[in-house]
Amino acid sequence: AQSVAQPEDQVNVAEGNPLTVKCTYSVSGNPYLFWYVQYPNRGLQFLLKYITGDNLVKGSYGFEAEFNKSQTSFHLKKPSALVSDSALYFCAVRDGSTGGFKTIFGAGTRLFVKA
Amino acid sequence: DGGITQSPKYLFRKEGQNVTLSCEQNLNHDAMYWYRQDPGQGLRLIYYSQIVNDFQKGDIAEGYSVSREKKESFPLTVTSAQKNPTAFYLCASSPSREKGIGGELFFGEGSRLTVL
Repeated sequence: AQSVAQPEDQVNVAEGNPLTVKCTYSVSGNPYLFWYVQYPNRGLQFLLKYITGDNLVKGSYGFEAEFNKSQTSFHLKKPSALVSDSALYFCAVRDGSTGGFKTIFGAGTRLFVKA
Repeated sequence: DGGITQSPKYLFRKEGQNVTLSCEQNLNHDAMYWYRQDPGQGLRLIYYSQIVNDFQKGDIAEGYSVSREKKESFPLTVTSAQKNPTAFYLCASSPSREKGIGGELFFGEGSRLTVL
């Protein structure tokens, strides 16, 4: 079975500082990993994904994520946080070996960036 | 513009009533999904469909039903059997199967259901 864990309910960071939002996953086959962002009362927006290849993935709005197979992690990072980055962030996983489309999400991490 | 349209945005229901949430996409995507979002619990998968006339239960399908008669449409019915239906419901789709299963999800703006 697939599962995703986001161990932090909330992350607080000062504007201009680097940020990290943590994600670990569990799948029986090859992991397809995704990060999404949600603003209040809106749908989710795609940020970036790892399917195969380079472990460091770059995405929208200056975000990046590093796939670590041995630690089964896919942490989201940004070198310099902006106040406008404040939002709810979701990590998601799909089992690439099953040939299906089932996507499972973590519980979400709320990011607060203080000016 | 291509996208996913959910309606209504807000819906109020009396206990014992069935309600249907609409989800329409013009992205030509094969796969469509329904998720339920509750505070602190993230998104939980209700149903998903990989192709027309076929759908699978997700992790919390009890009390819900779906149909997929057209590629563009994937309505969700919240039945009276769903004991705690108040939530934010999100519909999503992902690209065609020819592009493989690595495609990301595209989300609608959500429908907020409140049971009175």
